[in-house]
Amino acid sequence: AQSVTQPDIHITVSEGASLELRCNYSYGATPYLFWYVQSPGQGLQLLLKYFSGDTLVQGIKGFEAEFKRSQSSFNLRKPSVHWSDAAEYFCAVGMDSSYKLIFGSGTRLLVRP
Amino acid sequence: DVKVTQSSRYLVKRTGEKVFLECVQDMDHENMFWYRQDPGLGLRLIYFSYDVKMKEKGDIPEGYSVSREKKERFSLILESASTNQTSMYLCASSEGKQPQHFGDGTRLSIL
Repeated sequence: AQSVTQPDIHITVSEGASLELRCNYSYGATPYLFWYVQSPGQGLQLLLKYFSGDTLVQGIKGFEAEFKRSQSSFNLRKPSVHWSDAAEYFCAVGMDSSYKLIFGSGTRLLVRP
Repeated sequence: DVKVTQSSRYLVKRTGEKVFLECVQDMDHENMFWYRQDPGLGLRLIYFSYDVKMKEKGDIPEGYSVSREKKERFSLILESASTNQTSMYLCASSEGKQPQHFGDGTRLSIL
């Protein structure tokens, strides 16, 4: 069965430090991949998406993610974190056979001043 | 810009009540989705619809039903609310396999 794993429930970084959030998926074919961010009390906002082509994708708010087929990973990165990046981040996988997405359980990012 | 509007941000209902959660999207999207979100569990799909009057069960449909009479509106119905249905409910819409766009959510408490 298809699944998405975000191994880190919480991550704390200092403002200005770099960030990497991990996402691993289980799916037999090439998936569609997404990262979403959720601020407290809000819905999910799309950060970036990967469908095909260049495996390094750029998103909004200075985020990027790299698709690594050999590792079944789609990790999210940001070179310098801002206090406003504190939120919960969700990785999601879409499949050729369906319009549905499978979401990871999320990673909560805390930013130290 | 796509807008997905959920009718209530907060809702408090009593056990046994029939509860309606409404969702409207303004971009003529084919697909609409209802999720519930619980701490540590991420988003779990309850139902989705890929066309008017069409629906498919998601991963946790028990205790819920849906209605899609018009393309822009997708309603989630709790037939007889129970305390274990206290949760955050999120509606989303999409066109084909494009990214889903989410509403701000309804935080539902069942007392």
